[in-house]
Amino acid sequence: NAGVMQNPRHLVRRRGQEARLRCSPMKGHSHVYWYRQLPEEGLKFMVYLQKENIIDESGMPKERFSAEFPKEGPSILRIQQVVRGDSAAYFCASSLLGGSFGNTIYFGEGSWLTVV
Amino acid sequence: KNEVEQSPQNLTAQEGEFITINCSYSVGISALHWLQQHPGGGIVSLFMLSSGKKKHGRLIATINIQEKHSSLHITASHPRDSAVYICAPPKGPTGTASKLTFGTGTRLQVTL
Repeated sequence: NAGVMQNPRHLVRRRGQEARLRCSPMKGHSHVYWYRQLPEEGLKFMVYLQKENIIDESGMPKERFSAEFPKEGPSILRIQQVVRGDSAAYFCASSLLGGSFGNTIYFGEGSWLTVV
Repeated sequence: KNEVEQSPQNLTAQEGEFITINCSYSVGISALHWLQQHPGGGIVSLFMLSSGKKKHGRLIATINIQEKHSSLHITASHPRDSAVYICAPPKGPTGTASKLTFGTGTRLQVTL
């Protein structure tokens, strides 16, 4: 039973290009979360998705960022027209349940985006 | 004031020492996660607890919901415990993982 799989692990993009980060949750998990960790800063929540639905995107920047979790396939975090400030580690996590106690979340290894 | 305060921020210990990391938070009223982030960057969820105490191997986590305080203890520390330990209480009342807030972490270095 593979864990949360993220790819690519490392991605380099030039300013203005698009970055697509993929996350396959643990088998059976339908709740996916994306977090961002800026250099020398703590983790910050970005978005919470359930299959085909965005449940909470209160942590997403208003522009250039979008996320989806289609019925089939991985969740995608998309960053359009990247800027240097987007350089960060992006972590995906998944859980079996969407809330309440006893709901352990499992993290992926992260995707490191570098914008040059 | 930060919503989540961890102490100490950095900790160096010798192998075998008993280690305590503290977390005080002002958000949320329910459960709290302790996470471990290794130098390579990967994150592992160590505990999710809503009351009392949990133990897993050499790791022990305690929480006092009323005082909004949690501690992570490592007994008989080992160099492989070297990592950043992050306290993450949920911002909302329902303990949803989506509303996790994160401390800046405690960087632990265990030497031989």
